[in-house]
Amino acid sequence: AQTVTQSQPEMSVQEAETVTLSCTYDTSENNYYLFWYKQPPSRQMILVIRQEAYKQQNATENRFSVNFQKAAKSFSLKISDSQLGDTAMYFCAFMKHVQGGSEKLVFGKGTKLTVNP
Amino acid sequence: SAVISQKPSRDICQRGTSLTIQCQVDSQVTMMFWYRQQPGQSLTLIATANQGSEATYESGFVIDKFPISRPNLTFSTLTVSNMSPEDSSIYLCSVGAGQGIAGEKLFFGSGTQLSVL
Repeated sequence: AQTVTQSQPEMSVQEAETVTLSCTYDTSENNYYLFWYKQPPSRQMILVIRQEAYKQQNATENRFSVNFQKAAKSFSLKISDSQLGDTAMYFCAFMKHVQGGSEKLVFGKGTKLTVNP
Repeated sequence: SAVISQKPSRDICQRGTSLTIQCQVDSQVTMMFWYRQQPGQSLTLIATANQGSEATYESGFVIDKFPISRPNLTFSTLTVSNMSPEDSSIYLCSVGAGQGIAGEKLFFGSGTQLSVL
């Protein structure tokens, strides 16, 4: 079974600064996907960024980037130029690869990020 | 991406009653997933709903308590039966990228906030 661990229950950052959220996972699978989801108080789960395990290049989406270390089973999220709207719960999630279909997500416990003005 | 409409957005129910949550997607999808998020917790998968077959339930969740329907490729319902205060949670539906396409991205509905008195 896969497990996802987020060791930082809460973090805070000043507006315009950079913050890194940590995530480690455990799996025996070789093909899988990793995700970061953002959940603001509206409770909507918003996909921030995803990474395919077979890609060595780290994914980037505007101010969001990841540091994917497959051997270490580590998948951290870096938020640059933090904005007040980034305040939310952030969940790291794992999904194993299934040919031609979707699979369930396994979530970490989340990190509550607060961006201070 | 997929646009997912989930209803109701919130409800307050009496113990012993049942509530049916609806999830409508704007495109045909093979797999639909139902998650529960207990207060202050992460998301846990309840079941996977495939069109034309019985839902597959995760350990700790049973069909009598959480019956699921999947009448077509764009719609599913989750019923929370014989509710108790312990069922107070956010319930979210999720879908993959689309039928016939590897579901490397999972999108979520806006969730149903359920409170049981």
